[in-house]
Amino acid sequence: LAKTTQPISMDSYEGQEVNITCSHNNIATNDYITWYQQFPSQGPRFIIQGYKTKVTNEVASLFIPADRKSSTLSLPRVSLSDTAVYYCLVGSSGGNKLTFGTGTQLKVEL
Amino acid sequence: GAVVSQHPSWVICKSGTSVKIECRSLDFQATTMFWYRQFPKQSLMLMATSNEGSKATYEQGVEKDKFLINHASLTLSTLTVTSAHPEDSSFYICSATTGDQETQYFGPGTRLLVL
Repeated sequence: LAKTTQPISMDSYEGQEVNITCSHNNIATNDYITWYQQFPSQGPRFIIQGYKTKVTNEVASLFIPADRKSSTLSLPRVSLSDTAVYYCLVGSSGGNKLTFGTGTQLKVEL
Repeated sequence: GAVVSQHPSWVICKSGTSVKIECRSLDFQATTMFWYRQFPKQSLMLMATSNEGSKATYEQGVEKDKFLINHASLTLSTLTVTSAHPEDSSFYICSATTGDQETQYFGPGTRLLVL
């Protein structure tokens, strides 16, 4: 299993950029890095996925250094509705089994 | 795209009865589906992995005779909680992949309350 470590919680204000870092020291060669967002009593929602370097979509960016032992989810200009738990997962069909860690509770205030 | 649905969204049942939860991939064929359980304020815990047409693989500590999983088609998997007890009350979430297992798409979850 690829153990991931994230901060338990983070606080921010509306309009700020939020960066959540995840460490995954035993990532396997075939593993991808995937981030999910979860609101209370809902299933996790896919945010972004990457293998190396940088990936950007309409809601977030994912930065992955060359050694791939960590990754950073960047949320630009957060709003109150971004208050949620964010999970970093590492795994693949040919590598580590996807396992949910504790996640990061992001709280966005006015 | 990649929408996964679950039915029912919530269910209340008496202790000793069985409950079936359905998980459907609406716009893609899911060769692999996963079932998770989540207790309040905790992370998701993988219960089992199922591939279409074959027996599910259960995680350590999950009773396969209590949590029956059927993945009869590429768009449907079911989880049956047999002889449910109050300690089985939880939030059950399924996910599906298109085959490479690199990306899982999750259903909205089913809240089970056993009285």
